[in-house]
Amino acid sequence: EAQVTQNPRYLITVTGKKLTVTCSQNMNHEYMSWYRQDPGLGLRQIYYSMNVEVTDKGDVPEGYKVSRKEKRNFPLILESPSPNQTSLYFCASSLLMLAGGNTGELFFGEGSRLTVL
Amino acid sequence: SQQGEEDPQALSIQEGENATMNCSYKTSINNLQWYRQNSGRGLVHLILIRSNEREKHSGRLRVTLDTSKKSSSLLITASRAADTASYFCATDDGDTGRRALTFGSGTRLQVQP
Repeated sequence: EAQVTQNPRYLITVTGKKLTVTCSQNMNHEYMSWYRQDPGLGLRQIYYSMNVEVTDKGDVPEGYKVSRKEKRNFPLILESPSPNQTSLYFCASSLLMLAGGNTGELFFGEGSRLTVL
Repeated sequence: SQQGEEDPQALSIQEGENATMNCSYKTSINNLQWYRQNSGRGLVHLILIRSNEREKHSGRLRVTLDTSKKSSSLLITASRAADTASYFCATDDGDTGRRALTFGSGTRLQVQP
C-alpha cells in the first residue's frame, strides 16, 4: 500500500531536549516536504527536498533541521525544542514538483502531534 | 505566507444538501488543488484543476476556477455525514517557482445526519 509513515504520532517533551520525527515513503517520490499545522494559521511549510541531498527552506524553517540521505526518508530534527514548536506536523511527498511551480498531488502522513513543555 | 483563503470558515448543512466552499488566492498559479482532512488526520488529495481549465468534476465533487478573479469553488453535491471534515485549497507559487503548495486555513464542514 502506498503510504507516508511518520513516527512518533504523539510526543510530549521538554524544552531543549533534542528530538527527531521520522518520515518514510514507499512510492519512490523524489519530492518530500514538512509542514506544521496550527489553529488559524493553516499549514505552513518548514522544509522541502527535491531529491537526495537537496533540501531547501520553506516559510518557517527556524528551529528545525532536515536531512535527505536516502530517497525514502526525510527526518525532521528539532535540536533544541521550544514551546512555540508545539504543533501538529505533517510529512508529505509527491512524484511531481517541477520547476516553475507545476505540482502534482501531495501524499500526506497521518501527522505527529508534538507538545513541548 | 498564505496564498489561499477559504470562505466560509465553517459550514453546517443537513445530509442531502449541497455544500459550496470558496477559495481566493493572490498570485498567478499553474494549478489549484483541493484537499480534505478528517479531524486530526492527514490531508487527502481530492482534485486538481489546472490554470487553463475552468471546471472539473470527480464523482460528487465539482470544482471551478476563475483565474481572472483568482478564485475557485468546491461544490459537494448530495452531502453525507461522512463528508464532515475540513477542506483546504492549495496553490503552487507560480510567480516565484518555489517548490511548494501553499494552503489556506480551511473550511470546516459539518454535515448533520
